[in-house]
Amino acid sequence: DQQVKQNSPSLSVQEGRISILNCDYTNSMFDYFLWYKKYPAEGPTFLISISSIKDKNEDGRFTVFLNKSAKHLSLHIVPSQPGDSAVYFCAASARAGYSTLTFGKGTMLLVSP
Amino acid sequence: DTEVTQTPKHLVMGMTNKKSLKCEQHMGHRAMYWYKQKAKKPPELMFVYSYEKLSINESVPSRFSPECPNSSLLNLHLHALQPEDSALYLCASSQVQGSYSETQYFGPGTRLLVL
Repeated sequence: DQQVKQNSPSLSVQEGRISILNCDYTNSMFDYFLWYKKYPAEGPTFLISISSIKDKNEDGRFTVFLNKSAKHLSLHIVPSQPGDSAVYFCAASARAGYSTLTFGKGTMLLVSP
Repeated sequence: DTEVTQTPKHLVMGMTNKKSLKCEQHMGHRAMYWYKQKAKKPPELMFVYSYEKLSINESVPSRFSPECPNSSLLNLHLHALQPEDSALYLCASSQVQGSYSETQYFGPGTRLLVL
């Protein structure tokens, strides 16, 4: 059973426009959420995170929104740049105990010039 | 500095070989992780070390043997692997404060090919 779902395997956006990547989760114990960016044959790079006590966190061009009632989070990238083209993984953890990350399957973002 | 380093970057080994993957971090993190990632799949957790002690083993076959010599180093010893073990092996680390773990930072990975 997939506890973290990224239902869009891919997304294409033009340079300068907004990219919106979505993630849904089913486990109500999750209270910390992260987005990672991954290029082929490289390790995931941490982008931004959000705790369940917040509904928004912003870092430069990246903003993560959390809707706890809908168990949904999204990553907004504005403006999108060709260098943003990568696979984006949503991950979640529950802070009780030595929690591990549960990853979604990823969304491949392609930003065209 | 959020750097996790891994060596080697690439590794080709036969099914009878013994090899080791190495991971190092100098962020003072006390939790370290091994993941396996196949193409177009998310990372799969293999092992978690917390304060140099193995705290999670996700039912990984014994041909994979982790070791944590000190708080900065994590090894993964490989022996008698199968071709299906070919994958990108990722190391990660995070702080452990009290009873929760924080953001995990990943290394660049070792691309392993088993022939």
